[in-house]
Amino acid sequence: DVQLLESGGGLVQPGGSLRLSCAASGFTFTNYAMSWVRQVPGKGLEWVSAISGSGVTTYYADSVRGRFTISRDSSKNTLYLQMNSLRGDDTAVYYCAKGTGTNPHYGMDVWGQGTTVTVSS
Amino acid sequence: SYVLTQPPSVSEAPGQTARITCEGINIGSKSVHWYQQKPGQAPVLVIYYDSDRPSGIPERFSGSNSGNTATLTISRVEAGDEADYYCQVWDTSSDHQVFGGGTKLAVL
Repeated sequence: DVQLLESGGGLVQPGGSLRLSCAASGFTFTNYAMSWVRQVPGKGLEWVSAISGSGVTTYYADSVRGRFTISRDSSKNTLYLQMNSLRGDDTAVYYCAKGTGTNPHYGMDVWGQGTTVTVSS
Repeated sequence: SYVLTQPPSVSEAPGQTARITCEGINIGSKSVHWYQQKPGQAPVLVIYYDSDRPSGIPERFSGSNSGNTATLTISRVEAGDEADYYCQVWDTSSDHQVFGGGTKLAVL
């Protein structure tokens, strides 16, 4: 069964850092692009970042470029999102999602249940 | 940056056909994907590549895409279809994924 399990969310002060993880199982991890998508409760979906299946190519939303870093470890079948210089408007539920191909140009067919990040003093 | 526009809400009676639109400049030249999200749950892919259905998604869900409008059509709407629906494309000019603002489907 294909599964994604996020972890690493929590409460952090403005300007702080947090690393999210997404453990993948049930599919060949390196064959698929992966993405992070966030959602403020009650609001819509916002794409954050994506990475190709090989891990060579990364993509970022303008709102997080330079502060967030996406990466993947094929030996651990795990996707990461390193978040630095966090701001209040980064507060959201963060989902990891599996792409349907090796690059993230396509849909996302499996989603984790999300991990909550709260940035507040 | 590329913008996708969805109506905030759509309502339909049970058994009828609900249509949710997603407008974007020349969206017909892009592949559109649709997600269903129920309260407290993660999104679920219901249509990809404009009109393909993932396994497990009922045939009542269909999609089309032409010109400046993509449409998600839900036939024989049921109470269980009440959810927020989001369209999504990849914008090649910015190398960004783009989501529409979402449409809340109410089944009256």
